Amino acid sequence: DGGITQSPKYLFRKEGQNVTLSCEQNLNHDAMYWYRQDPGQGLRLIYYSQIVNDFQKGDIAEGYSVSREKKESFPLTVTSAQKNPTAFYLCASSQLANTEAFFGQGTRLTVV
Amino acid sequence: KQEVTQIPAALSVPEGENLVLNCSFTDSAIYNLQWFRQDPGKGLTSLLLIQSSQREQTSGRLNASLDKSSGRSTLYIAASQPGDSATYLCAVSVGSQGNLIFGKGTKLSVKP
Repeated sequence: DGGITQSPKYLFRKEGQNVTLSCEQNLNHDAMYWYRQDPGQGLRLIYYSQIVNDFQKGDIAEGYSVSREKKESFPLTVTSAQKNPTAFYLCASSQLANTEAFFGQGTRLTVV
Repeated sequence: KQEVTQIPAALSVPEGENLVLNCSFTDSAIYNLQWFRQDPGKGLTSLLLIQSSQREQTSGRLNASLDKSSGRSTLYIAASQPGDSATYLCAVSVGSQGNLIFGKGTKLSVKP
């Protein structure tokens, strides 16, 4: 089945630790996105990439980093510089920019 | 700055009722508008995509309309079922990079 796979489903981070969230797609999409969802707020864009080896910051990129070494993969690292990382993280892809977006099942990150 | 508003925030209806969810946006310069469904703790499922040049799209019991000049979209659900219970999100695509700006959603509950 084609789709977007995010792992792990749940992730716990200790203070001062970096963690990496995985996002893999087999839809052959060029564009990939990371969003953050907090209770009572709309989704907010963290980073996006339209092509391999290129990515841009979104609205809330501070404390996060990404890479796009392969077309199908767009991992997100939450660094210790992110002071409030507890949230639900969603990865999305689209064939091209401004075409239909498809989302993964999300990773819930909790700071312990 | 583009803002997306969804009213009401929550809606409860009896099974079988037809209903309308509303979405408004402040800047008419959009590429498209997309409606999503989100079940608790899950990712987003794409329901309908309306291009900026289109007026409406239909899929089964769902019909979405777009009035770009007035900054409004509606999602019409016919003959609602308990399985339709979820949070419905609308998002507009702005800019050439395809970033989505989301509303906070309408939480729908359909009572048997």
